[in-house]
Amino acid sequence: QSALTQPASVSGSPGQSITISCTGTSSDVGGYNYVSWYQQHPGKAPKLMIYDVSNRPSGVSNRFSGSKSGNTASLTISGLQAEDEADYYCSSYTSSSTLDGVFGTGTKVTVL
Amino acid sequence: EVQLVESGGGLVQPGRSLRLSCAASGFTFDDYAMHWVRQAPGKGLEWVSGISWNSGSIGYADSVKGRFTISRDNAKNSLYLQMNSLRAEDTALYYCAKDLVDTAMAAFDYWGQGTLVTVSS
Repeated sequence: QSALTQPASVSGSPGQSITISCTGTSSDVGGYNYVSWYQQHPGKAPKLMIYDVSNRPSGVSNRFSGSKSGNTASLTISGLQAEDEADYYCSSYTSSSTLDGVFGTGTKVTVL
Repeated sequence: EVQLVESGGGLVQPGRSLRLSCAASGFTFDDYAMHWVRQAPGKGLEWVSGISWNSGSIGYADSVKGRFTISRDNAKNSLYLQMNSLRAEDTALYYCAKDLVDTAMAAFDYWGQGTLVTVSS
């Protein structure tokens, strides 16, 4: 159950697009389509932004999109806005025999 | 409106036990898997444990396996985490989270506000 690997920080200017990677193994990200992404502002509970690799929950801006290739998942934020500045975490299911999961190491997004 | 309200946190000495509870409302509790996720001060999220809708499938992070026990009472719409042999590294804000599905760890669509556990002598 090693944490999924994310870059510690990503930054961009307003209006730009940024991409956050989430690298795991064939036992987690590469083995299942249960990859999700969360946004967390300081002092707040995390918020689900993407589930099942690329699906957006109702109410989440279409500026957020997800994808996966092999053992690496990605979250893209287009048209970056000041309110997107937050910590982002990926997560993946890791076992079909027990109900196991794992989070990524987290990425701080800074809007310049 | 979905609500998840955690309770039971507090200051506890190393080696002692604590039981966390999560009261759920606003959805059909026994239709979904439930989880505990923790966040140490200034650190990232860590999945702790998950339980399927009927308690038939349960999982634990390696860091808590053998010390923590997750359970649920569908009649009471409640989720629990029994934490034994607590260590300083268990100090964290513990979140209760609802899954999108019933028997796996798909995604956490609702979260509580968390209950703080501090392990210190």
